[in-house]
Amino acid sequence: DTGVSQDPRHKITKRGQNVTFRCDPISEHNRLYWYRQTLGQGPEFLTYFQNEAQLEKSRLLSDRFSAERPKGSFSTLEIQRTEQGDSAMYLCASSLTSGSSYNEQFFGPGTRLTVL
Amino acid sequence: GQSLEQPSEVTAVEGAIVQINCTYQTSGFYGLSWYQQHDGGAPTFLSYNALDGLEETGRFSSFLSRSDSYGYLLLQELQMKDSASYFCAVGAGNNRKLIWGLGTSLAVNP
Repeated sequence: DTGVSQDPRHKITKRGQNVTFRCDPISEHNRLYWYRQTLGQGPEFLTYFQNEAQLEKSRLLSDRFSAERPKGSFSTLEIQRTEQGDSAMYLCASSLTSGSSYNEQFFGPGTRLTVL
Repeated sequence: GQSLEQPSEVTAVEGAIVQINCTYQTSGFYGLSWYQQHDGGAPTFLSYNALDGLEETGRFSSFLSRSDSYGYLLLQELQMKDSASYFCAVGAGNNRKLIWGLGTSLAVNP
């Protein structure tokens, strides 16, 4: 399978715990995005990378959220001291950066986080 | 600020035609895309318009008017499986990041 993969698919944690999610993009894609989505809402932008460089982090995102893409391939998203409001689907997407490819993002299946 | 507006809900019957509109206000413009998302699934790419006019892909077509900052997705011969949320997204800014609309929930009834 050469699509975007995310791990884990589901995560249940207690409030105050730290969690880390992983995303493996399509191998030749140099851009990688993290989104958060809650029921009935659109994808909420969190951050994105071009190769290993983090280009932007949402200003709505607290300092408890951090993301890395150390070698320009897979990426991790960490949430520290989780809160119940962090419960959501966390989506990863990747794309190329040429012409129309910027606008064609390929999404992984998501990681559903439940904070108790 | 940057924003995209689209209707929150649309209802139609099988076999009908439905149009989902999207208006945008962004700093810079690098094309309008449409994505489909079924309940419990991830968004999947449907179409992309960089230039004015109509792009057709099977039962789905997408239109763009850059002078009006407006586009639409046209779904023809609706099927039950088309029931989903549809998002418009615009590439904007120096890094061509995608700005997303809030989505239109389409319900196709028998």
